[in-house]
Amino acid sequence: DAGITQSPRHKVTETGTPVTLRCHQTENHRYMYWYRQDPGHGLRLIHYSYGVKDTDKGEVSDGYSVSRSKTEDFLLTLESATSSQTSVYFCAISESVVGRDGYTFGSGTRLTVV
Amino acid sequence: RKEVEQDPGPFNVPEGATVAFNCTYSNSASQSFFWYRQDCRKEPKLLMSVYSSGNEDGRFTAQLNRASQYISLLIRDSKLSDSATYLCVVRIPNDYKLSFGAGTTVTVRA
Repeated sequence: DAGITQSPRHKVTETGTPVTLRCHQTENHRYMYWYRQDPGHGLRLIHYSYGVKDTDKGEVSDGYSVSRSKTEDFLLTLESATSSQTSVYFCAISESVVGRDGYTFGSGTRLTVV
Repeated sequence: RKEVEQDPGPFNVPEGATVAFNCTYSNSASQSFFWYRQDCRKEPKLLMSVYSSGNEDGRFTAQLNRASQYISLLIRDSKLSDSATYLCVVRIPNDYKLSFGAGTTVTVRA
C-alpha cells in the first residue's frame, strides 16, 4: 500500500479546544484531501490541497482549517472543537486528477469531542 | 440532486450467490469511474476502475452505461469476505476531487 499515515489514530478532546490531525505521505503525491465520514452521510470533503501552500475548501469546511507547508504533510485543525465534529476523519492522496488515478486513503482518525 | 446515488442496501446473500447493484451519476461529462470497498471501521480501498467496455477482475465485473448514466458491480460466487460496503466513485473533468456515493452494503451469510 501507498505510504500514507494519519496521526493520532484515536483522540478524545473537550468542547472548545483546538485539535490538529496530521496526514503524512511518502509518495510525493501532489494532491491531498481531508474527508469526514458519518453514518448516513458517507464521505464528505472538508478541504483539499493541490500543492504546497495551495488549498481550497470542500463542502463541509466550516470550523476547520488546513495547512500544507511541505509536500508530505497536510494538517487539519479544528479551531474550537464541537460535538458535531465527532467523526472519523480520513486523509487521501492522489498523484493526478485525470484518468484512472483514484485516491489512496489513510487508516483514519477517530475523533470524539465531549 | 446528489452527484452519485447508490441503493444503500443491505443486500443479504448466501455464500456462492451472485449479487449485483448499480449506482447512478448526474453529470453526463463524468469521465472516470471506480468502485471502492470499505470494511467496517476501515478506510476505503480501490476495488477496481470501470472501463467503457466493461471489465472483470476475478469474481467481480463492472459495467458502465453512459447513455443511462449508471455503473454496475456484479459479484459472482460470493464469499463471506466480500461482506463490506461498496462505494461508487466518479470523476468529473476539471475537478480536483472525486465524487463518492454513500455506499451499498453487502452481507454474505454462511
